[in-house]
Amino acid sequence: NAGVTQTPKFQVLKTGQSMTLQCAQDMNHEYMSWYRQDPGMGLRLIHYSVGAGITDQGEVPNGYNVSRSTTEDFPLRLLSAAPSQTSVYFCASSPRPYRVNTGELFFGEGSRLTVL
Amino acid sequence: GQNIDQPTEMTATEGAIVQINCTYQTSGFNGLFWYQQHAGEAPTFLSYNVLDGLEEKGRFSSFLSRSKGYSYLLLKELQMKDSASYLCAVRDSNYQLIWGAGTKLIIKP
Repeated sequence: NAGVTQTPKFQVLKTGQSMTLQCAQDMNHEYMSWYRQDPGMGLRLIHYSVGAGITDQGEVPNGYNVSRSTTEDFPLRLLSAAPSQTSVYFCASSPRPYRVNTGELFFGEGSRLTVL
Repeated sequence: GQNIDQPTEMTATEGAIVQINCTYQTSGFNGLFWYQQHAGEAPTFLSYNVLDGLEEKGRFSSFLSRSKGYSYLLLKELQMKDSASYLCAVRDSNYQLIWGAGTKLIIKP
């Protein structure tokens, strides 16, 4: 079982460069999300999606774009990288939480991004 | 504003019991989650509470008091592999998760 797959695991960018973090899940989950995790802070939601063709902003969306063309894939694009975007990024999915289940999140392994 | 508070770090001895507290102030409540995160790895789900009381799952138990905005995670018979960060998260009225900064648990032999 692959679960949630994120690539790349490590990336170094220069200020102003753009890149895309890939995320794919094979569990047919409707809900997908991107978080960033910084030392001393809780996970912060960047963008999320409740189904193909539907995306919405989270707590810290500035500087990031997402799209959801299929149920399986939810890429995160950094438009013009800044040092403040140095972080560990996690993609997570769950069955849609509004139904009768806990809505627990299944996380990818994380992508460690450094912006110089 | 919305806020989740948990201790930054705790130390315990192998074989002992430890309780990690979490207090929250959120816009609405639709469940509280505990996740475990080993260093350099992704968080993994431990427990879910939506009603008051204690949920037991093997060596781990989680308690919730909605009236007090309070939860704890109880770990029994501590093992070295329990050394990790423990994240508390509350699902608010919009079904979004609000996360605490996590409690780093250090287990000593």
